[in-house]
Amino acid sequence: QTVVTQEPSLSVSPGGTVTLTCGFSSGSVSPTNYATWYQRTPGQPPRTLICSTYTRSSGVPHRFSGSILGNKAALTITGAQADDDSDYYCVLYLGNGILLFGGGTKLTVL
Amino acid sequence: QVQLVESGGAMVQPGRSLRLSCAASGFTFRNYAIHWVRQAPGKGLEWVALVSHTGTGKYYADSVKGRFTISRDNSRNNVDLQMNSLKTEDTGLYYCAKDWTRFGVVAPDTWGQGTQVIVSS
Repeated sequence: QTVVTQEPSLSVSPGGTVTLTCGFSSGSVSPTNYATWYQRTPGQPPRTLICSTYTRSSGVPHRFSGSILGNKAALTITGAQADDDSDYYCVLYLGNGILLFGGGTKLTVL
Repeated sequence: QVQLVESGGAMVQPGRSLRLSCAASGFTFRNYAIHWVRQAPGKGLEWVALVSHTGTGKYYADSVKGRFTISRDNSRNNVDLQMNSLKTEDTGLYYCAKDWTRFGVVAPDTWGQGTQVIVSS
């Protein structure tokens, strides 16, 4: 059974850089998995940050960037700010119309 | 602007049925696939189902396959999710979301505010 893995929790200092990853329990993430990243804050619908591995969604600050690092998709926050303290989710396209979310990463900015 | 509004959420008993609806506006609805995604209390996001832009492609997570049916009406800019044989683990906030790309499938992009489903005896 395919599982999408994310770090359960990470922390970063204000102004620092942090990388969140999104991978498969077995196998590698490629651009054809269209990794997409979301920020989740309580009481709000998910906010789309990065679509299809690399494309920043409209209005998303440039400090958020997406990439492939090794065999995983990655979301890098450069110059973290206090309001980046949130939960982050990735979703991968498995093909044949099926998508799978990762378990989410709780990012603490302190 | 793009807007998606979910409705139909309610509290129901296990084994019963419920129909959720998603009304879309602000974009060319017939060009985009639509997803349903849910979040159970204290849990992460879970992709539930997808209907292609034409309505002919319908795809489901294993957890709901055979119980849920997704459909769309491009003349009314509407997507429904028929949920049968509901289980307590179907409890959660259900979102509909437009796909990022036209005529294909990438990932949910613009989301509605969600509708709450509670399955409990």
